[in-house]
Amino acid sequence: AQKVTQAQTEISVVEKEDVTLDCVYETRDTTYYLFWYKQPPSGELVFLIRRNSFDEQNEISGRYSWNFQKSTSSFNFTITASQVVDSAVYFCALSESKAAGNKLTFGGGTRVLVKP
Amino acid sequence: SAVISQKPSRDICQRGTSLTIQCQVDSQVTMMFWYRQQPGQSLTLIATANQGSEATYESGFVIDKFPISRPNLTFSTLTVSNMSPEDSSIYLCSVRWENQPQHFGDGTRLSIL
Repeated sequence: AQKVTQAQTEISVVEKEDVTLDCVYETRDTTYYLFWYKQPPSGELVFLIRRNSFDEQNEISGRYSWNFQKSTSSFNFTITASQVVDSAVYFCALSESKAAGNKLTFGGGTRVLVKP
Repeated sequence: SAVISQKPSRDICQRGTSLTIQCQVDSQVTMMFWYRQQPGQSLTLIATANQGSEATYESGFVIDKFPISRPNLTFSTLTVSNMSPEDSSIYLCSVRWENQPQHFGDGTRLSIL
């Protein structure tokens, strides 16, 4: 069965600091997808990124970057030069291609608090 | 991208009552899902809503407690039945279409007194 672990429950930083969120996953499937979602205090879940298991290229989108390493089953997320608006809970998730409907398994989430 | 409307956005209910949550999408989608997020916790999939047939429930969730309907490709409902304080959670609808990732509604914050 698939599993996603986010070991950091809460991270507190001062504005402009970089913050890295760890995500480790377990799956027996060879084809799978990894995701990051953001949940700000207002509660909605915002999609950030999706990677498939065959694409290990790192990705950068503005201040966000993602490091996918299959060898260590990790998909880490870095926010560069953090801002107060980055304060949220961030969830890593896994979807196996063989799972009906590609349902998502979420990690426990990491709460990021960015102080001014 | 699809616009997902979830109603109600929040509610406070008495124990023993039932509440139906609606999820409306502005375009046809392939898959619709219902998740529960208990206070301070992660999201757990309740069930996959199947169009025109019974929903597919995850382990630990049963139809009698969480009946789900999906009459067409743009609408689904989740009912939380015979509510108790333990059902106080955020309930989220998500949808997927074509090769898109799952996108979520704004959620329904439910409190049971």
